[in-house]
Amino acid sequence: GAVVSQHPSRVICKSGTSVKIECRSLDFQATTMFWYRQFPKQSLMLMATSNEGSKATYEQGVEKDKFLINHASLTLSTLTVTSAHPEDSSFYICSASGPNPYEQYFGPGTRLTVT
Amino acid sequence: AQSVTQLDSQVPVFEEAPVELRCNYSSSVSVYLFWYVQYPNQGLQLLLKYLSGSTLVESINGFEAEFNKSQTSFHLRKPSVHISDTAEYFCAVSEKNAGNMLTFGGGTRLMVKP
Repeated sequence: GAVVSQHPSRVICKSGTSVKIECRSLDFQATTMFWYRQFPKQSLMLMATSNEGSKATYEQGVEKDKFLINHASLTLSTLTVTSAHPEDSSFYICSASGPNPYEQYFGPGTRLTVT
Repeated sequence: AQSVTQLDSQVPVFEEAPVELRCNYSSSVSVYLFWYVQYPNQGLQLLLKYLSGSTLVESINGFEAEFNKSQTSFHLRKPSVHISDTAEYFCAVSEKNAGNMLTFGGGTRLMVKP
């Protein structure tokens, strides 16, 4: 139980385009979803927290107009990287909480490469 | 605010040897403690957690961790590692009664050599 999926697992896009990453909780309702960014050989950096039906709360230094987060339902959150640049290339991981409020369940991650 | 320190960025060890991955945290309130494992190009998998009760917690694949409140530590141990244990390990904490926000340590790369 408590499975989180992400789609796509890998995406390559051209500089200046936008790309959307989906995060789904498959077998539970996620009251809160989190988006992280991970640079090579580094830890996870929290980008934003979103609750269903509410605006996302962004961490300091994260551009909300560049990283658009939508949490339209209790099982789906999306992260859209707008006008992507090569420096946005990274591994993006989502997580969701629900069944156990003190625990987060992580998706498999999405590798974004901007050329 | 809490913080997590993983003292070793890399730990090389030979197969079948014991290993300890260190984790220390700081917080002004009670915490929940977690260890996650990440294999290359994958997300995080929960390895084990301490919520309350017994300070020694175990995973199904032979890892264990002990919560030491006085030393604010939650070190991860395994008596005999396998090649397949090679991965990145993250220690994380969340504060009780403060939602489910996780603070991660910097990670420790466990490299098991034959």
